[in-house]
Amino acid sequence: KNEVEQSPQNLTAQEGEFITINCSYSVGISALHWLQQHPGGGIVSLFMLSSGKKKHGRLIATINIQEKHSSLHITASHPRDSAVYICAVGDYGGSQGNLIFGKGTKLSVKP
Amino acid sequence: IAGITQAPTSQILAAGRRMTLRCTQDMRHNAMYWYRQDLGLGLRLIHYSNTAGTTGKGEVPDGYSVSRANTDDFPLTLASAVPSQTSVYFCASDSFTEAFFGQGTRLTVV
Repeated sequence: KNEVEQSPQNLTAQEGEFITINCSYSVGISALHWLQQHPGGGIVSLFMLSSGKKKHGRLIATINIQEKHSSLHITASHPRDSAVYICAVGDYGGSQGNLIFGKGTKLSVKP
Repeated sequence: IAGITQAPTSQILAAGRRMTLRCTQDMRHNAMYWYRQDLGLGLRLIHYSNTAGTTGKGEVPDGYSVSRANTDDFPLTLASAVPSQTSVYFCASDSFTEAFFGQGTRLTVV
């Protein structure tokens, strides 16, 4: 069983729709990252969360430590949001090399 | 502009050849990482360094070595490349509040 599970694997939406991507993990963590990767492109960090909720523009990330679950929401989605979204969890109490990644959610937003 | 620079951006390499992928950051982060990204497998940690002078093995270290002579540079060396090392390689660093990734190096071993 993967330690970080994302759902859905693939998601197609119409422009303007509200989008939710989920991440569940089975290990103890200090922080959770949401990353964005455009086709053929580099990886950009969107959020790093250890509790609660963060908002940046149209993006909102939440985490429930007790339930070991995080969600990434995109409001008023746009074709430029089309990318792979990756959840990663880390334990910074020990080695900093302990980031574990989900397989990613491929989002396609149609105009 | 603060960030991580990787070089080269892409490379075709003959099997058996030695290759060093370069990574430089200008944010003075202590922690740096090398990952490989393969279709269906996601990102996997090759090696990491918590601070200059120290390194550690990740999930898939075989065939790779790293060094961390100073805070800014974290090169990854393939001593004798094999086709299974064909992948996209990402260098990263973090500051406990945000993670930063390089643009990636696409390596093809033939």
